[in-house]
Formats: sequence, C-alpha cells, structure tokens
Amino acid sequence: NAGVTQTPKFQVLKTGQSMTLQCAQDMNHNSMYWYRQDPGMGLRLIYYSASEGTTDKGEVPNGYNVSRLNKREFSLRLESAAPSQTSVYFCASSELGQGVYNEQFFGPGTRLTVL
Amino acid sequence: RKEVEQDPGPFNVPEGATVAFNCTYSNSASQSFFWYRQDCRKEPKLLMSVYSSGNEDGRFTAQLNRASQYISLLIRDSKLSDSATYLCVVIGRPSNYQLIWGAGTKLIIKP
Repeated sequence: NAGVTQTPKFQVLKTGQSMTLQCAQDMNHNSMYWYRQDPGMGLRLIYYSASEGTTDKGEVPNGYNVSRLNKREFSLRLESAAPSQTSVYFCASSELGQGVYNEQFFGPGTRLTVL
Repeated sequence: RKEVEQDPGPFNVPEGATVAFNCTYSNSASQSFFWYRQDCRKEPKLLMSVYSSGNEDGRFTAQLNRASQYISLLIRDSKLSDSATYLCVVIGRPSNYQLIWGAGTKLIIKP
C-alpha cells in the first residue's frame, strides 16, 4: 500500500515552460487535492476534486489546471511557469465527500523551482 | 489579519519538558479543528483532532477555547522525536473542502 505518490520529486523549469505534476492514490479515496506550501505561509489549496469527474478551484487556482483522470489519479498542470510558482506542491486525498471532514493523506511533495 | 495564526517559533525545549503552543482563528463560525505534524522536508500528517471538550492522546493534549477563538496543543515529557513543525488546521465553512492552514510552529527538542 503506497498511499499517495507524486512525481517528480524535484523539478527546475525556465519561465514560460509547461509541466504536469502527477499524483496517484491507492486508498480508494473519493476526494483529492493539490496544495502549495511557501515559506512562512500555510498550505494553500490550488484545486480539489470532490469525486471522480469533478474539479473545483481552491484559494489560488490562477496559472494552474487540473485533471481527475480516474478515481486514482489527479494531475496538476502549469501551462506557462512563472517564478511566483516556485514552491513545494503537495497532493492529498481523503475518503469521504463534500461536507464531511476526513483525514487528508499527503504525498511526499514536489519541489519546483522556476527560474 | 490571517484567518489562522501561529507563533512560528522556534520553541527550543529541553528533553523531558512540557511545552504548549496556541493557534488563533478569526472565523467564529469555524466548526472543526486539527493539529498536523510536519517533519523537515516531509509531508504533513494528522496528529490529532481537537474536540470541544478537549482531548488527550498519550503525551499530547489538545484544547479548544471558542470564546477566545484559539486552540492549543500541550506536549508533556517531550522527546527528541517530537521535533517538528506543528500545523494548526481549521475548517471555517461547513460543507466545504477548504481547510485553512496555519503556517506552523517549529519545535526543537534539545537533549
């Protein structure tokens, strides 16, 4: 049972390049999330997917897009990377749907630097 | 004012001591509260939920003060392995996925 996996672990991009961060969970969870974590700030929600087939914006969605490929996988795409997107990105998943809090399980994170 | 505020620390504490830190939240309608632990360069992991009546899990005690809008975490008999950053999490709006995260309090336990 791997839990939540993320690829890649590290990435360096030049301004304007694009990339996709991959996330997969093997816990049969319904909900999945993408966060970014910056020094001195709390985790901020970028996008979430309440269930397979749905996605919604979080607090900081600008510059990002997501795809809930199936129940297991939730990807985050940066179409044109900017230095302000330098951050650590975490994917998370939780069991139940909207309105009910469940423990969120996190992947190991992707450390992204945009030059 | 941030929705969830924590003292960033670091709190430098000798092994075996008791340490406590608070987290304040601005939304009086907040319903659910949690403490997560994050080790250096690792992902956050749930430490404990915070119930209205307070709750204890081994050496850890969490309490909620709704009147003053803060939650607290107390660690007794601290261990070297307790060194980490402790993140306060609040759900401000029921029926919403958006957890509001504090920036964390760094704790360093010294031998």
